[in-house]
Amino acid sequence: NAGVTQTPKFQVLKTGQSMTLQCAQDMNHEYMSWYRQDPGMGLRLIHYSVGAGITDQGEVPNGYNVSRSTTEDFPLRLLSAAPSQTSVYFCASTTGPPTYEQYFGPGTRLTVT
Amino acid sequence: LAKTTQPISMDSYEGQEVNITCSHNNIATNDYITWYQQFPSQGPRFIIQGYKTKVTNEVASLFIPADRKSSTLSLPRVSLSDTAVYYCLVGALYNQGGKLIFGQGTELSVKP
Repeated sequence: NAGVTQTPKFQVLKTGQSMTLQCAQDMNHEYMSWYRQDPGMGLRLIHYSVGAGITDQGEVPNGYNVSRSTTEDFPLRLLSAAPSQTSVYFCASTTGPPTYEQYFGPGTRLTVT
Repeated sequence: LAKTTQPISMDSYEGQEVNITCSHNNIATNDYITWYQQFPSQGPRFIIQGYKTKVTNEVASLFIPADRKSSTLSLPRVSLSDTAVYYCLVGALYNQGGKLIFGQGTELSVKP
């Protein structure tokens, strides 16, 4: 049982490039989320999903797209990378109601130059 | 949306009990209170969760008064390895439109 896995661990992009951050979970959770964490800050919700085919925006969705074609996978796409997107990105898989306990992946450290 | 307020930082010494209090004045009836621990360069890790009164597990205790407007995470006999940031979250993530917000957290520093 691997829990939540994220790839890559590190990535450097140039401004304007696009890429996809991968996230997978093997706990059969319906709920998954993407967060970003800037230095010295808490986590901010980017997008989330309540099941395959269903996604919605969080607090800071601009510049990011998501899709959820399977229960296991929830990739995050950066459409045109900007230096403001330099951050650490965490994917979380969440148990259902009423407790919504979140399990986080190890993170992807992204630098945009 | 239940907003939470925690101290920004706390200091302690090895072997002491540490209590971190979180205020959540507008907690909703069906909201649970959850605490997470985050070490540098790692994702947050679930510590404990409760709805009311007291919850205890092998790592910590969580005290919730009757009005549920605050909660206190208690770490018994801390060690250097408890140095981390602790986040208090309140709410049912997806019932509130996905706007559940992690606050700044409390940075706990344990000294020898």
